[in-house]
Formats: sequence, C-alpha cells, structure tokens
Amino acid sequence: EVQLVESGGGLVQPGGSLRLSCAASGFTFNKYAMRWVRQTPGKGLEWVSDISSSGDNTYYADSVKGRLTISRDNSKNTLYLQMNSLRAEDTAVYYCAKGSPGTIDYWGQGALVIVSS
Amino acid sequence: DVVMTQSPLSLPVTLGQPASISCRSSQSLEHSDGNTYLNWFQQRPGQSPRRLIYKVSNRDSGVPDRFSGSGSGTDFTLKISRVEAEDVGVYYCMQGIQWPRTFGQGTKVEIK
Repeated sequence: EVQLVESGGGLVQPGGSLRLSCAASGFTFNKYAMRWVRQTPGKGLEWVSDISSSGDNTYYADSVKGRLTISRDNSKNTLYLQMNSLRAEDTAVYYCAKGSPGTIDYWGQGALVIVSS
Repeated sequence: DVVMTQSPLSLPVTLGQPASISCRSSQSLEHSDGNTYLNWFQQRPGQSPRRLIYKVSNRDSGVPDRFSGSGSGTDFTLKISRVEAEDVGVYYCMQGIQWPRTFGQGTKVEIK
C-alpha cells in the first residue's frame, strides 16, 4: 500500500523559513517523480513543484520560483520542500504526491503551513 | 500556461440521478506520444484528493463504474451515471502535458 506522510508544517512569520518532509513507502521510491501541490483554505488546488526520479530535474510554479526548493533523498525514501522568504499567500495545506507521466496517482494527507505574524 | 476551465462550479444533484462536469483546456492535451494527459480527481469533505480517472477515460482501481471520463483535444467530461451520497465533494480536472501543471477551479457536487 502506497503511503505518503508529510511532516514539518506549522506557524511561521512572514519572511521566515520552514522545511516540509514527506516519508514515502509502499513503492519503489527512486523510480518515480514526486510532486508538491498546495491548497489554500477553502480554495482550489495549485501545483507547486515536481522533481524527477533521480532528482536531476526540477520544475516550479512561477509563484514560488526562487523561494521554494524541492529535493529528495532516495536512500531515505523522503521528499522535501524547503520554503524560504515565506509570504502570507503561501498559507496552505501542502500535499506530497506520487507522480507518473502526466498524472498524480497518490496523495499524502497534507501538512498545514500558516504564514502570519 | 494551459488554462483549465470547469463548468459548472456548483452542481446540486438528486440522489440516483446522473451528473456531468465539463473541463475545457486552452490548448490540446494530446501529447506527441499519442496519450492525452487529462486527469480527474475527487476531494471529499475533509479528505485529500483522490484520482478517479487518468488519460481521459482510464478509471482507477476501486473507483465505481458509475464514474466515466470522455473527451479529446481540449474538451473533456466526467460523468456520474447515478449519484450516490458518497459522491459529495469537489471534483477537479488537471492537465499533465505541460509545466506548470494546472487544475480546473473545481466543481462542488452536492445533494439537493
């Protein structure tokens, strides 16, 4: 059974930093691209970032480019999202997701990030 | 960016009746590999999204056969043949042909 468990969410002040982690199990982690998708309270879904299976290729939404960094440790079956220079509009539930070509086949339970003073 | 436009945004349905959600993309979602990368997700209240349909019409394991996807190019439809109470939630389409990946605004399905 595929499991994706996010951690590291919380309250942070504007301009601050936070690192999200996603522990993956139930599949061969190093064979799949991984994604982060966020959902602002009461609103829709916004794709944030993708990383290839090897970690060599990364992609970002314009809204987060230069501030959020996706990475992975295939030896630990873990995906990361380093979040710097956070803004109020980054407040959202962040979902870790398993990717296959052109799709998302599994989602984590989400981690809430609140950016507020 | 590929813009995904869903309609309607709100869909009240009577139990046992059919429902249909439209999703239109601003560009064709047909890839040069021959696949069309259009996905449908369901998000029940208080839950994470769950994939229902991928590549237009392929239903995920465990998804009831009352759900079906169709379409091509830029015009796609998710149909529920007979709505049940457990189908309440928000449904999103998503394109997977181009970065940035983009979602529709979501369609809220509720029981009348």
